[in-house]
Amino acid sequence: DIVLTQSPGTLSLSPGERATLSCRASQTVSSSYVAWYQQRPGQAPRVLIYGASSRATGIPDRFSGSGSGTDFTLTISRLEPEDFAVYFCQQYGSSPRTFGQGTRVEVK
Amino acid sequence: QLRLQESGPGLVKPSETLSLTCTVSGGSISTTSYYWGWIRQPPGKRLEWIGNIYYSGSTYYNPSLKSRVTISVDTSKNQFSLNLTSVTAADTAVYYCAKHERMPARRWFDPWGQGTLVTVSS
Repeated sequence: DIVLTQSPGTLSLSPGERATLSCRASQTVSSSYVAWYQQRPGQAPRVLIYGASSRATGIPDRFSGSGSGTDFTLTISRLEPEDFAVYFCQQYGSSPRTFGQGTRVEVK
Repeated sequence: QLRLQESGPGLVKPSETLSLTCTVSGGSISTTSYYWGWIRQPPGKRLEWIGNIYYSGSTYYNPSLKSRVTISVDTSKNQFSLNLTSVTAADTAVYYCAKHERMPARRWFDPWGQGTLVTVSS
């Protein structure tokens, strides 16, 4: 199984700051089939990024994804109040599909 | 807009079978374009993919759970279901249902249901 390791576990930032979240895979993810999700408390996860760098429908352009191979990054250029949440990555290039353990972005 | 909603008992006794249903609204489950899946998240742990089903009944399971899992579909009710046998406390988790597209390049999960907490305890 591909193990996804996210870092940091918690990111303490202020609104307006830039957030950089990392997702590292234990082996190459086929075709960069990596998705990023946001989960707010009490809500269902929602997809932000797919294919490592493509924004999902309706996702603001302050969210961007990059990376290939084993290293992937989610960047939030300027944090808005609604962006403080948990983010997790997922690979869908090989079975079984696996998820990272999540990064919590909290208000500093 | 497609919506998914999980339902089922919130408490299951050890050694018994956990049964959940996902009701799909806003679209047909009998589409050739989608797979329907179950994912869970134990408290304090990462999400774990359980398995998927196609409208025809074809299933794909996580090998770590395959011996205990059955996913089925009821196209007449626009629902699919999860059965997990011989549960233990380690199966306590929030269980989500979700959809992904059939094309390999589009197999991220979207949308997800709200999730339902299932606790295994006597």
